[in-house]
Amino acid sequence: EAGVAQSPRYKIIEKRQSVAFWCNPISGHATLYWYQQILGQGPKLLIQFQNNGVVDDSQLPKDRFSAERLKGVDSTLKIQPAKLEDSAVYLCASSPTRRDRGNSYEQYFGPGTRLTVT
Amino acid sequence: GQNIDQPTEMTATEGAIVQINCTYQTSGFNGLFWYQQHAGEAPTFLSYNVLDGLEEKGRFSSFLSRSKGYSYLLLKELQMKDSASYLCAVKDSNYQLIWGAGTKLIIKP
Repeated sequence: EAGVAQSPRYKIIEKRQSVAFWCNPISGHATLYWYQQILGQGPKLLIQFQNNGVVDDSQLPKDRFSAERLKGVDSTLKIQPAKLEDSAVYLCASSPTRRDRGNSYEQYFGPGTRLTVT
Repeated sequence: GQNIDQPTEMTATEGAIVQINCTYQTSGFNGLFWYQQHAGEAPTFLSYNVLDGLEEKGRFSSFLSRSKGYSYLLLKELQMKDSASYLCAVKDSNYQLIWGAGTKLIIKP
């Protein structure tokens, strides 16, 4: 079974530029997550999709970040304009279902995109 | 607020046993996960606890006490490849995962 795919793996941009990341989840996984992970910290959820609908985007800085999952499969995350503090690893994850008490529907992570803003 | 506490860093010797603790304060509880993350790589799932007690999976075991808001990950027969960060994450009442900052485990020969 293919894992979660992400591209690019690395990106270096200057502040105020824009950047986009792409994610293709595991086939059949309805739920897709975008996380931001700053070095030495745990992942921070930016946005969660269930199929092509947004479940949670409460921590997404909507003035500069946007994400879409138009056909309920792959997704893109965009930053425009980027700031220095956006330097981080952006992780995409997927899981078979959004919620299910008592079931270990763990999240499967992609390799991440390491973004450096200079 | 919601909070998950883990030690920042721990050091252990190859072949030994180490216990990584996690305490949490969340709005509701719907399970606790442990993930392993090697440097520069994505987190990978290790274990899931939703009921009190010990779950054993090979060299790794995870324990949960819901009344104490406490979990630990126990790693036995440590190997050099176990050097990684270990992340504790709790599903809250909205089934959202709240992540700890992770514990960096250093294994020495």
